[in-house]
Amino acid sequence: GDSVTQMEGPVTLSEEAFLTINCTYTATGYPSLFWYVQYPGEGLQLLLKATKADDKGSNKGFEATYRKETTSFHLEKGSVQVSDSAVYFCALSPRNSGNTPLVFGKGTRLSVIA
Amino acid sequence: GAGVSQTPSNKVTEKGKYVELRCDPISGHTALYWYRQSLGQGPEFLIYFQGTGAADDSGLPNDRFFAVRPEGSVSTLKIQRTERGDSAVYLCASSRASAHSYNEQFFGPGTRLTVL
Repeated sequence: GDSVTQMEGPVTLSEEAFLTINCTYTATGYPSLFWYVQYPGEGLQLLLKATKADDKGSNKGFEATYRKETTSFHLEKGSVQVSDSAVYFCALSPRNSGNTPLVFGKGTRLSVIA
Repeated sequence: GAGVSQTPSNKVTEKGKYVELRCDPISGHTALYWYRQSLGQGPEFLIYFQGTGAADDSGLPNDRFFAVRPEGSVSTLKIQRTERGDSAVYLCASSRASAHSYNEQFFGPGTRLTVL
């Protein structure tokens, strides 16, 4: 079945450091890919998405590119802030339209220290 | 506008008891999902409603779990004869219905269930 594998945390970075969180997926067909973020005490929020190969999703300085050849969707940010401390989840939807349940990775906890 | 709300925020129960968890989706969202998130894991799909009917219940772990959405809005997840392994955060999400574009799922804050 479909699955998502993301790098284990926790990840601890100093403010203004470069961030990469790796995510690879296994899916049949043409999935859509997502990064969700869970800030302390809050619910899951969609951070960015990409619905087809070579699409780049971006939001709040974060970026991820849908790489079909490597089945990857790595999350990057050039300069992290303390406010980016959260748990990040990579996820896929088996289809790129309509309503389908999401398949999530285990999450990666990021701590950014000043 | 109001987001997805879930009640209660915390529920502590004893092994063998029955519990109900409630989800109020965003107004106008016809799709509703239940997920379960165990400690240190990502959310796992349980069941998905399109309107009043369960479009996909393949994620329900066993017949102790049941969910309803009688009027196509509020949904209740019901767990019978709770076990300690049912302890987790239960998440609800809702989305609009369109067959032609991706419909973002908006998540509630979750209900933390603890079975003693």
